[in-house]
Amino acid sequence: EIVMTQSPATLSVSPGERATLSCRASQSVSSNLAWYQQKPGQAPRLLIYGASTRATGIPARFSGSGSGTEFTLTISSLQSEDFAVYYCQQYNNWPPPFGQGTKVEIK
Amino acid sequence: EVQLVESGGGLVKPGGSLRLSCAASGFTFSSYSMNWVRQAPGKGLEWVSSISSSSSYIYYADSVKGRFTISRDNAKNSLYLQMNSLRAEDTAVYYCARSSAEWELLHPFDYWGQGTLVTVSS
Repeated sequence: EIVMTQSPATLSVSPGERATLSCRASQSVSSNLAWYQQKPGQAPRLLIYGASTRATGIPARFSGSGSGTEFTLTISSLQSEDFAVYYCQQYNNWPPPFGQGTKVEIK
Repeated sequence: EVQLVESGGGLVKPGGSLRLSCAASGFTFSSYSMNWVRQAPGKGLEWVSSISSSSSYIYYADSVKGRFTISRDNAKNSLYLQMNSLRAEDTAVYYCARSSAEWELLHPFDYWGQGTLVTVSS
């Protein structure tokens, strides 16, 4: 079973700054990696799939990169609505686990 | 507009049973695999179960295998999760979610319901 590890657990960033979130898989998942955003009291929202493809309606300030076991989600210039928890998920093998999440908070 | 609406959550005693439903609309339900994901209070997301479009393929997390049963009724555009032998650690918000590609089972989840809370407590 593949384990997804996200870092850091919490990221404090000022509005307008760049945020870089990491996700590591315990074995290669090729490019079968998705990122989700979840705000308090809301369902998760798909941001990125295929490691780097933005989902429909996702702003260009969100970008994903990586392949194999190391992945990165970058938010180029944080807006107030971007403060949330972000999860990665691999979908290369069963089961498709999520990482434990990175909370992006206002500095 | 794609909509997923869960129902059936509530308070149940340990060892009890509950059946969750997810009503789908706004897309061809019978063409998409569906999933259940849960989130314990204050915790992260946990994949629970997935079912292919024709119910031919079904997968469960080890934590629920043998206790939960996923099913679907394509004629009613509905997804279900029968939960038996419930434990305190099953307490969570349960989301139904659609796999993003038609006819593909293992794929990201592009639409999610608002969730239904299941509380297992005596």
